[in-house]
Amino acid sequence: DAKTTQPNSMESNEEEPVHLPCNHSTISGTDYIHWYRQLPSQGPEYVIHGLTSNVNNRMASLAIAEDRKSSTLILHRATLRDAAVYYCISDPAGNNRKLIWGLGTSLAVNP
Amino acid sequence: NAGVMQNPRHLVRRRGQEARLRCSPMKGHSHVYWYRQLPEEGLKFMVYLQKENIIDESGMPKERFSAEFPKEGPSILRIQQVVRGDSAAYFCASSPRTDSGNTIYFGEGSWLTVV
Repeated sequence: DAKTTQPNSMESNEEEPVHLPCNHSTISGTDYIHWYRQLPSQGPEYVIHGLTSNVNNRMASLAIAEDRKSSTLILHRATLRDAAVYYCISDPAGNNRKLIWGLGTSLAVNP
Repeated sequence: NAGVMQNPRHLVRRRGQEARLRCSPMKGHSHVYWYRQLPEEGLKFMVYLQKENIIDESGMPKERFSAEFPKEGPSILRIQQVVRGDSAAYFCASSPRTDSGNTIYFGEGSWLTVV
């Protein structure tokens, strides 16, 4: 079973920020949180990952709650190309990268 | 720097035939992972390999499925005597190290259809 839970779908307008939530109340202190996104008929694309501190890269920001029970992926200005399924995944240390994928959040971006 | 390369992108096989899916990891990556995605489902881990070694095959079906990553050449996922339930997208991924703090990069997938 996935250790993370996400809303099934979300909707946003183009040029507006998007906050994608993820609950992971049962992960351990050494489990990294990874975010990927997947467009139809394509492979998962890496977005961002973190452990405890908030992280920023050119694609997005990741805000991790202080108690690590939840995190939020932030797309600062949504574009139509950001419409995809977003997966929040825990990656336990020493687990041979057996990532457990849920169904993710399907993000629709309105023009 | 080329990404993870998978071929074929699409493969159609009749029931009972064999399917061979190939994966070339990113340059400098020695860890390869195979995942399967059934329609309307999330990805499921199948196997983790290093050169000439299967490290973890806990997600592989016990029969008909095998994987290898030879010293030279791509990693191969082989499915013998395919059945309709094998129809899925098969994704290969690679990473430079295996610790959970570094990124796994995925290929575009091989889409197997069994008719």
